[in-house]
Amino acid sequence: DTAVSQTPKYLVTQMGNDKSIKCEQNLGHDTMYWYKQDSKKFLKIMFSYNNKELIINETVPNRFSPKSPDKAHLNLHINSLELGDSAVYFCASSQSGGRSYNEQFFGPGTRLTVL
Amino acid sequence: DQQVKQNSPSLSVQEGRISILNCDYTNSMFDYFLWYKKYPAEGPTFLISISSIKDKNEDGRFTVFLNKSAKHLSLHIVPSQPGDSAVYFCAASVGGAGNNRKLIWGLGTSLAVNP
Repeated sequence: DTAVSQTPKYLVTQMGNDKSIKCEQNLGHDTMYWYKQDSKKFLKIMFSYNNKELIINETVPNRFSPKSPDKAHLNLHINSLELGDSAVYFCASSQSGGRSYNEQFFGPGTRLTVL
Repeated sequence: DQQVKQNSPSLSVQEGRISILNCDYTNSMFDYFLWYKKYPAEGPTFLISISSIKDKNEDGRFTVFLNKSAKHLSLHIVPSQPGDSAVYFCAASVGGAGNNRKLIWGLGTSLAVNP
């Protein structure tokens, strides 16, 4: 019973393609995130959603579009993939209110390779 | 500009001894600090945290120390076990009381505990 799951785990695709990564959490949390970990291992937040509402958008190119159909899901769609998009993408969730908001639970990551 | 720095990319320790992982930060607005542990091909998992109003927090073999004047925190693991071998990330939380709080991450320190 995985708490935060992502699909697919690996994604290899050509430049210019459009792809989606799905994320689901069964923890009952109200906040979800997308992070990018680049080749230098730097983990950087891209987006956060609270109750399906976009809260944080960290100057990410508009080729990246998150979609949250409900509190338990946050999907990431990427248009016109570029070589520099190759990275590991992590989904995470947390519960707002108090310090538990900071304690985020992560999915296993999706390794995206753009050729 | 990296606001959270883990200057040691790797650390090797003998089983049973103490592991000390260090983290420095530059932003005095950070008010909550967390340590996460990451195994290969998995997402980070929350380990321990500390509020900026405290200088120590202990949980079993793990203790985090915070020196606000030096903008420095450290994670102590005593005694170290081979299963502790992983990458340890330091993260700092910033933002208001609302849902726009975010974590700023260090680059991680890879800990190897040798039997």
